[in-house]
Order: sequence, then structure tokens, then C-alpha cells
Amino acid sequence: QLQLQESGPGLVKPSETLSLTCTVSGGSISSRGYYWGWIRQPPGKGLEWIGSIYYSGSPYYKPSLRSRVTMSADTSKNQFSLNLTSVTAADTALYYCARLRRQWLGDYYYYYYYMDVWGTGTTVTVSS
Amino acid sequence: SYVLTQPPSVSVAPGQTARITCGGNNIGSKRVHWYQQKPGQAPVLVVYDDADRPSGIPERFSGSNSGNAATLNISRVEAGDEADYYCQVWDNSGDHVVFGGGTKLTVL
Repeated sequence: QLQLQESGPGLVKPSETLSLTCTVSGGSISSRGYYWGWIRQPPGKGLEWIGSIYYSGSPYYKPSLRSRVTMSADTSKNQFSLNLTSVTAADTALYYCARLRRQWLGDYYYYYYYMDVWGTGTTVTVSS
Repeated sequence: SYVLTQPPSVSVAPGQTARITCGGNNIGSKRVHWYQQKPGQAPVLVVYDDADRPSGIPERFSGSNSGNAATLNISRVEAGDEADYYCQVWDNSGDHVVFGGGTKLTVL
């Protein structure tokens, strides 16, 4: 079955760039109808969506993070990645990657998304 | 920006029904999805599209959505249902995912 695995440095210095990769197995990131995303959870707090991307591009980012976030997808490696620049202690969190299913809401004429498969998460601490 | 409001905590005795609400402006016009997160684990989708269950999720989990509130119902609650539950929608006005703040379900 589909599995997602996050990887990347567990410790990042303030003002530097956080870079994470999600490797997908048991399925292709090029599958139609699915986006791929990142969600984080600060210690003791709730879930925060960071952004999502299609295999061919077309990213969506959380508005408050848009100036610092870049996501990309590599179909040859079946991976997608997150870059978050100028990190501070507030970016310390458990980071999850997930598959998002895209559905059409015909009554209102737009696509909507939800996370149907999650990775196990990776902890990132921002500290000098 | 669209806001989802959940009660911080809900307590229920074993065998009873737990009801977790998710409030939002005209949320009935959106599709609501629910996630269960047990301590130290990744979230798991338990209800999507207001009331549908993914494969492997017990029928005890059900959902509804109307007006300004969506509800996750867990019938015949078991100790193993103790977890944090999050509702989620897609905010089409800003093209982004929105999560509720989460509700901690305690089984007494």
C-alpha cells in the first residue's frame, strides 16, 4: 500500500533554510487526482497546513507562510520536497508529508482537498 | 480567512456516544473531513466528505454537516478511541487547507 516517509535534518539554525523530502512508495506521485502536501505540528499544539503541490507544479501555500515556502516535485525519484527559509524557533515542529485527494464540488464549482495518507512525521528543531 | 472552531475537550463514558462539533460560517456548504490522532502517532482520516468512512474505519464513526456546524459522532465509545480529533475543510476563497484547533476526547 502507499507509504510516505519524511527525511531531512533534525536540527536547523535560526535564519537558515529548512529542507525536507518526502519519498513515496507503493504508488506514483504522478497519479492523477492527487496532490502532495506538508503539514506541521508544533509541540503540544494542533495541525497546521503548510502547502501542497501537484506532480507537475501548481502549488498552494498557506498565506502566512507563502513568502518563505517553496515546494517541488521530482517524478524521477517519486519524491516531493519542502524548503522553508529564514526559520525561527516558531518553526520547530513535527513535520508530516501527506497525499491529498482532490475532489470536485459541483454545487459550488471548485475543487477541494483532504489528506488520505500520511507519513509518520519527522521532528525539526530550530536552535543555534 | 476561514476559521473552524472546535471544543478543546470532550469527555464520555465507555459505551456512550461522543459528539465533537466543528463550527464555521456556512460550513454546510463545504465538505468536512475528520482526523484522529493518537498520542505519538500521525493523524488518520476517519471521515471524509462530511459522512463517508475510509476503508477500515469502524461504522461507529459517522459525521454530519449542516448550517454552521459539522459533527463527528463516535458511538459505543471504547478506550481505544481516546485521541485528538481535527476537522478540516478547503477554503476555496483563499485556496488553502484549514484545520480546526482540535478536540481531545477523553474516555472516562
